[in-house]
Amino acid sequence: QVQLQESGPGLVKPSQTLSLTCTVSGGSISSGSYYWSWIRQPAGKGLEWIGRIYTSGSTNYNPSLKSRVTISVDTSKNQFSLKLSSVTAADTAVYYCARDPIDPYYDSSGYYTYSNYFDYWGQGTLVTVSS
Amino acid sequence: SYELTQPPSVSVSPGQTARITCSGDALPKQYAYWYQQKPGQAPVLVIYKDSERPSGIPERFSGSSSGTTVTLTISGVQAEDEADYYCQSADSSGTSLYVFGTGTKVTVL
Repeated sequence: QVQLQESGPGLVKPSQTLSLTCTVSGGSISSGSYYWSWIRQPAGKGLEWIGRIYTSGSTNYNPSLKSRVTISVDTSKNQFSLKLSSVTAADTAVYYCARDPIDPYYDSSGYYTYSNYFDYWGQGTLVTVSS
Repeated sequence: SYELTQPPSVSVSPGQTARITCSGDALPKQYAYWYQQKPGQAPVLVIYKDSERPSGIPERFSGSSSGTTVTLTISGVQAEDEADYYCQSADSSGTSLYVFGTGTKVTVL
């Protein structure tokens, strides 16, 4: 049973960089069968996808956050990490890491594409941006 | 930006059927996924590819799709089903790989 666990500072000052790490256990991050994502949720609000990484280091980011986000992977430690720069109070949220199984299929137009969804999530970690 | 719209709340009596809709222009071309989130917990996948149920998810959870609307149905609702439910999909252009719905609070009366 795969497990994901977020870790990092719970308090970050405005304008600084938020840094979190997700440790994967029960499976190898290098298996090549998954993407690894970060998602966040402000208190009382909905979910927002931040970005994802593949074992090769290839990344995709939410266009709304792309200028401030860096996601990296350390296969030797079975971890991937998030850095979000120039944070403000609006970045206060519970941050989740999650696994996306690479699941290709042919759509109704015959186009070869991929399902994008999350089958395992970490428990989440609250990050507060405040001075 | 692409949006998935859900009703804010649905109320249902125990044993009855709850239906939660999710609307989006790209849904005829993109699969939808559903997550259940209880207070203080991470989301849990309950439906994938519109209507598939992951192992361990009770049979009372089902999904369907029609045009620009997908529906999560909970048949024979139990008190433990009280939670927030989010749909998730992608836009047709691939710009937004993962888009979440606005969320629906299911209250079991």
